[in-house]
Amino acid sequence: QPVLTQSSSASASLGSSVKLTCTLSSGHSSSIIAWHQQQAGKAPRYLMKLEGSGNYNKGSGVPDRFSGSSFGADRYLTISNLQSEDEADYYCETWDSNAQVFGGGTKLTVL
Amino acid sequence: EVQLVESGGGLIQPGGSLRLSCAASGFTFSGYWMHWVRQAPGKGLVWVSRINSDGSSTNYADSVKGRFTISRDNAKNALYLQMDSLRAEDTAVYYCALAYTVTTDSWGQGTLVTVSS
Repeated sequence: QPVLTQSSSASASLGSSVKLTCTLSSGHSSSIIAWHQQQAGKAPRYLMKLEGSGNYNKGSGVPDRFSGSSFGADRYLTISNLQSEDEADYYCETWDSNAQVFGGGTKLTVL
Repeated sequence: EVQLVESGGGLIQPGGSLRLSCAASGFTFSGYWMHWVRQAPGKGLVWVSRINSDGSSTNYADSVKGRFTISRDNAKNALYLQMDSLRAEDTAVYYCALAYTVTTDSWGQGTLVTVSS
């Protein structure tokens, strides 16, 4: 079963950019992942699906400021021109034949 | 527009049972896998169970295997989670989720389950 590793926290200034990382465990470096955003007190929101090639497919209404990229086993979510509403928890997700797996989440603070 | 509306949560004593429901609309429910995902207070997202489009294949997290049962009624556009032998550690918000492909694409608003005496 794959394991997804995320940093527990990140911070960046209003108007700047931040790159969040999700690392796939050994043997799963080519897996597709999804990124989800969860603002405080709200349900999660699907952001995008991200392939190992770096191709990504965003959900409806997700701003252009959100983009994805990949390198090896690492999957990245980049948020440009940070806004206050981007302060949230960000989770990555993947799957295998037996289960879905979520990373532990990264808490993003916008300074 | 996809809508997923969970119901059935509440306060239940340890060892008790509860059945969660998820009413789906805005998409062809019978065509897609569906998931239950939970989130304990102050903690991260944890996958619970999934079911394929016709209900013939199911998977469970080890922590709920043998106690929870996922099912669906495609005629009613409804997803269910039967939860038996509930424990304090099952306390969480339970989300219903749609998977158009291999990962989650849309989320419900969640229903809170509290297991406590």
